[in-house]
Formats: sequence, structure tokens, C-alpha cells
Amino acid sequence: DAGVIQSPRHEVTEMGQEVTLRCKPISGHNSLFWYRQTMMRGLELLIYFNNNVPIDDSGMPEDRFSAKMPNASFSTLKIQPSEPRDSAVYFCASRGASGRDYNEQFFGPGTRLTVL
Amino acid sequence: GIQVEQSPPDLILQEGANSTLRCNFSDSVNNLQWFHQNPWGQLINLFYIPSGTKQNGRLSATTVATERYSLLYISSSQTTDSGVYFCAVNKRWSSNTGKLIFGQGTTLQVKP
Repeated sequence: DAGVIQSPRHEVTEMGQEVTLRCKPISGHNSLFWYRQTMMRGLELLIYFNNNVPIDDSGMPEDRFSAKMPNASFSTLKIQPSEPRDSAVYFCASRGASGRDYNEQFFGPGTRLTVL
Repeated sequence: GIQVEQSPPDLILQEGANSTLRCNFSDSVNNLQWFHQNPWGQLINLFYIPSGTKQNGRLSATTVATERYSLLYISSSQTTDSGVYFCAVNKRWSSNTGKLIFGQGTTLQVKP
């Protein structure tokens, strides 16, 4: 299996621009998670989808952040407009519906976002 | 919310030494995972271990759920073990059965 795939791996943008991060979960997994990692706050959950439906978005910082999961194999995290304080590494993770994969979350390589 | 504390925050070892990393959590959990974040930033799954003991090569882990702690053992450390080790838990009986709460990590440096 290819694992969780994220793109782009690195993104540098200017304040005010729209940023879109993409994630393809492991095939057959039905739960998808977006996390953010910063030096100050560590790793924290932004939003969690189950069967393409958002279950918990309480970690989304503000209205500038939005996430979608139009189908089981694709999700996006959008920031509009971006601000320097959004600079972080954004991870996508997925989890299966049953068996061993139900218990563990598997992480993608992350997108390192820099907002100038 | 549930608190996750890891110790020590930093650890420097000589290659070949053994080490023990600790994770304390403040509530009952139904998921506990250990991750290694390598110098390239990738989060690598080490163990899913909400209770009991598991071993994988030079690494082993033990979780004592009733006492709310987990230990990660690294034996015969190698320079490739360097990086940050995270413990993450999901609270039992949580309405959000997906949310992993991460500790702040233990940064390990193994010197040749």
C-alpha cells in the first residue's frame, strides 16, 4: 500500500493568499484526520471525518480554515486568507473500519506551510 | 481534557546504550500509540498498545492502563533512533472516538 499521500510537501505563500492542502487516505480506510504541528502547541487535531462526514471540527482555529471530503479517497484543507501564524506542518492521517487498522492512525508525510 | 505528559523531555545517549521513555496520562484510554518522528519530520508508527506488552526488534513497550502510564524501551540504541518520540492517546468513553491527544514528546539524540 502507498500509505497516506499528501501534497504539496512544501508550500511557501504570501499573507492573504489562498492555500489548499490535499490528502489521499489509505485505500479502504473510512476515517480521516487533519492535524497541525507547531513548536508552541505541538500536534493537535483540527478536524476528523468518518465515512466522508465531518464528526468533530472543534479544533479548526477559525473561519479562515475549511475542510472537505468529497469522496472516500480525497480530502482538502483550505486556508483563506492565509496569515503568518498559520505557518506549521499539516499532517493527514487515516484509520480503517475494522481489524488492526481500526485501532491505529497512520500519518502522511505532512505539508510544511510557510506564510510570509 | 485528558493530559499526556512525557519524560524526559530530552535525552542524549551514546550508541549502544539502553533507554526508557515514559508517558503518563490523566484518564482512562482506549487507544495509546507510540510514534517516532524522524529528522525528516515523518511520523512512524511504533506501537499500538492500550494495555500489555509488545516487542518489535530492539524496541518494546508496556502500558499499565490501571496506573495510567506507558513505557517505551529502546535497547542497543543506534544513531538512526534519533528523533522525537511521541505518545498519543484517545480517551475512553469519549464522544469523539477519533481524537488523538499527543504528549510534547521526548527528543532523543544518539551519538556515535
